[in-house]
Amino acid sequence: EDKVVQSPLSLVVHEGDTVTLNCSYEVTNFRSLLWYKQEKKAPTFLFMLTSSGIEKKSGRLSSILDKKELFSILNITATQTGDSAIYLCAVEPEGRRALTFGSGTRLQVQP
Amino acid sequence: EPEVTQTPSHQVTQMGQEVILRCVPISNHLYFYWYRQILGQKVEFLVSFYNNEISEKSEIFDDQFSVERPDGSNFTLKIRSTKLEDSAMYFCASSGRDRGGKLFFGSGTQLSVL
Repeated sequence: EDKVVQSPLSLVVHEGDTVTLNCSYEVTNFRSLLWYKQEKKAPTFLFMLTSSGIEKKSGRLSSILDKKELFSILNITATQTGDSAIYLCAVEPEGRRALTFGSGTRLQVQP
Repeated sequence: EPEVTQTPSHQVTQMGQEVILRCVPISNHLYFYWYRQILGQKVEFLVSFYNNEISEKSEIFDDQFSVERPDGSNFTLKIRSTKLEDSAMYFCASSGRDRGGKLFFGSGTQLSVL
């Protein structure tokens, strides 16, 4: 059974801080790892990672994958209150379409 | 930007009743999905649909659930006889052929079974 574990479960920071969110996984026949941001309702796509060691970057957000250690991190620099959300990590197995999600990290950025 | 739309946003029903949740996926997408999220729990996969048939389903998707694409735009999830434990946020999602796990989610239907 595929499994995704995220840490921490919850995090409170102040604006301008840098945060690192963690995701470890177990999956049969790995294809990709994905990060989503969930604010009020629908998860919105952030990154898809398929190869180890290659950083994906979008503005203040970046993510990297370690396929040997079965681990990914999501970094957010210079956090803003608009970054407050639940960040979800998910894995996609090869040959299948079902994503397995972790429980998420609830990030709260205080002014 | 194109988006996945879901209706209704909230649905309240009595236990044992049938409900139909509706979705309009992004028009040029080929894969369609239903996920659900029980309050405080993980997002869970229910079913994927491609080429007018179910391509994959989870253990949750038992005989009380069905999906349909009745025309070229709508994608529906039917729950035949709702149970209290079906109360959850139901998300529809779609993806293009080569986009893998990059799903575009709708805003969800909050189903409350009383």
